[in-house]
Amino acid sequence: EAGVAQSPRYKIIEKRQSVAFWCNPISGHATLYWYQQILGQGPKLLIQFQNNGVVDDSQLPKDRFSAERLKGVDSTLKIQPAKLEDSAVYLCASSLDPSVNYGYTFGSGTRLTVV
Amino acid sequence: AQSVTQLGSHVSVSEGALVLLRCNYSSSVPPYLFWYVQYPNQGLQLLLKYTSAATLVKGINGFEAEFKKSETSFHLTKPSAHMSDAAEYFCAVSDRVAGGTSYGKLTFGQGTILTVHP
Repeated sequence: EAGVAQSPRYKIIEKRQSVAFWCNPISGHATLYWYQQILGQGPKLLIQFQNNGVVDDSQLPKDRFSAERLKGVDSTLKIQPAKLEDSAVYLCASSLDPSVNYGYTFGSGTRLTVV
Repeated sequence: AQSVTQLGSHVSVSEGALVLLRCNYSSSVPPYLFWYVQYPNQGLQLLLKYTSAATLVKGINGFEAEFKKSETSFHLTKPSAHMSDAAEYFCAVSDRVAGGTSYGKLTFGQGTILTVHP
């Protein structure tokens, strides 16, 4: 079974520029999550999708962050404009069922550096 | 609101010694609890999970954790450390309320970096 694919692995941009991250979950996984992991901290949920609908985006900075999940499969997370404090690893995860009994599968993440 | 506290941001042990990583949680409902491991430049890998079956949970790579409701703890242990165990470990909690907006959401602790000395 292929894992959760994310791209790019690394990205360096200047502040006020825009950037997009892509995630392809495990085939058949209905639930997709985007987490932000700032250096020295645990991951924090940004947004949760169930199929192509948003379940929870309460911690997504909606003035600059946006996310979509087309056709309930791939997802993109966009930041526009980026700030220095957005430097972090952005992790995508998917699960077969919202029940946490199944647990998550995480991708390797995209490391964003904003200079 | 749920929260997780990991005591000790850095733990150092000798190869072959006991590994003990501490995690305390706060949850208003019976929780699901997890331990994840993260190697450098990689994503998070699930080590083990507690979902209300046995309170002593065995995971991969020889790790285990015990759920103690009275102490609100879920400490991770391994009898004998190996060099390959050096990584960052995260404890996480999730609630059990189906259909709620937080269903399936994981709240992570700050992480504990484990160093293993030869």
